[in-house]
Amino acid sequence: GNSVTQMEGPVTLSEEAFLTINCTYTATGYPSLFWYVQYPGEGLQLLLKATKADDKGSNKGFEATYRKETTSFHLEKGSVQVSDSAVYFCALSFDDKIIFGKGTRLHILP
Amino acid sequence: SAVISQKPSRDICQRGTSLTIQCQVDSQVTMMFWYRQQPGQSLTLIATANQGSEATYESGFVIDKFPISRPNLTFSTLTVSNMSPEDSSIYLCSVESVAGVVGYTFGSGTRLTVV
Repeated sequence: GNSVTQMEGPVTLSEEAFLTINCTYTATGYPSLFWYVQYPGEGLQLLLKATKADDKGSNKGFEATYRKETTSFHLEKGSVQVSDSAVYFCALSFDDKIIFGKGTRLHILP
Repeated sequence: SAVISQKPSRDICQRGTSLTIQCQVDSQVTMMFWYRQQPGQSLTLIATANQGSEATYESGFVIDKFPISRPNLTFSTLTVSNMSPEDSSIYLCSVESVAGVVGYTFGSGTRLTVV
């Protein structure tokens, strides 16, 4: 079946550190891939997306590339800020449904 | 992208009672989705609601426990019935962002605590 696996948190980094949150997926067909972010006390927000292989989604300094050969969609940011502290969800969509990973809590220290 | 207004934002309810959560979208959408996010967990799809037809429930969710209404293309409600403490979660509605654009928009969620 379709599923999303992402690295478990919490991830704690110092400000300006490089961030990678791993995400791999299992899917039949060709899903679209997403990263969502949930800031403390708020709902989900779409961070970035990629709809086909080799697409790179980017937003707010975050990037992720749709890698079909490795079935991955790792989230990266070159220099994190305290304001990036949140829970990040990797997700895939197919047939009008979206499946989420378990989320990775990111904590950035000043 | 569509804008979703979801309410209430939070509630504390007595066990055995029911709570109805509302989602209002600022544009017409074909499909609306209801999710549950249990404490420390990811989101789980409860059901998909299409206007003019019965909602489609995912495995583990039933209409008697989570009745859904979809009276028009901009509005839906989810009721959590006969609540128990295990129903304490965040409930979110979602729609596809805009026609032809891949992605989903979520409401801000309803944080439900059952005591």
